[in-house]
Amino acid sequence: AQRVTQPEKLLSVFKGAPVELKCNYSYSGSPELFWYVQYSRQRLQLLLRHISRESIKGFTADLNKGETSFHLKKPFAQEEDSAMYYCALGGSPADKIIFGKGTRLHILP
Amino acid sequence: KAGVTQTPRYLIKTRGQQVTLSCSPISGHRSVSWYQQTPGQGLQFLFEYFSETQRNKGNFPGRFSGRQFSNSRSEMNVSTLELGDSALYLCASSVDRGTYNEQFFGPGTRLTVL
Repeated sequence: AQRVTQPEKLLSVFKGAPVELKCNYSYSGSPELFWYVQYSRQRLQLLLRHISRESIKGFTADLNKGETSFHLKKPFAQEEDSAMYYCALGGSPADKIIFGKGTRLHILP
Repeated sequence: KAGVTQTPRYLIKTRGQQVTLSCSPISGHRSVSWYQQTPGQGLQFLFEYFSETQRNKGNFPGRFSGRQFSNSRSEMNVSTLELGDSALYLCASSVDRGTYNEQFFGPGTRLTVL
């Protein structure tokens, strides 16, 4: 069965400090993993996906199949990073995309 | 391109009533997914439609149903509303499912059941 776990409901980090939002998944096939972000009063939007292997707004995420993890990282937090972050898991076109429960990131001044 | 639109944006209903929500995907997008968003459960997958066919379904009771029209617009219906159905209902569209396809979300419909 597909499952996504984001163990932290809330993560508070000081501005300038490193950020790591955890995501673990369970999936029997070859996973597609995404991070979506929802800023205050804005729509949910894609932040990055593992297949692209890119850095967006300073965030990166590496798929670790051995640990079944896809943690989101940023070396220096900025106040505008405060938002709700969702890890999402897909797979083959026959599978649905499911989301974790989300982690609220709060950047402290 | 215009983004995903959802109507209505807000709804207040009473227990036992039924409700229909509408979603217009981005032009050219053929896949539409519906999610229920609540503070405690986050986003929970309801169903996905592609080319007027339901391709996937989440773990929701049969009171939740949907459909997709030939122009890719989609509706979802909830019958016999319960207090626990109060949530933000999000619709997302994509060109298709698959590794490279990003989901684009609408603003949501806020449903309150009294």
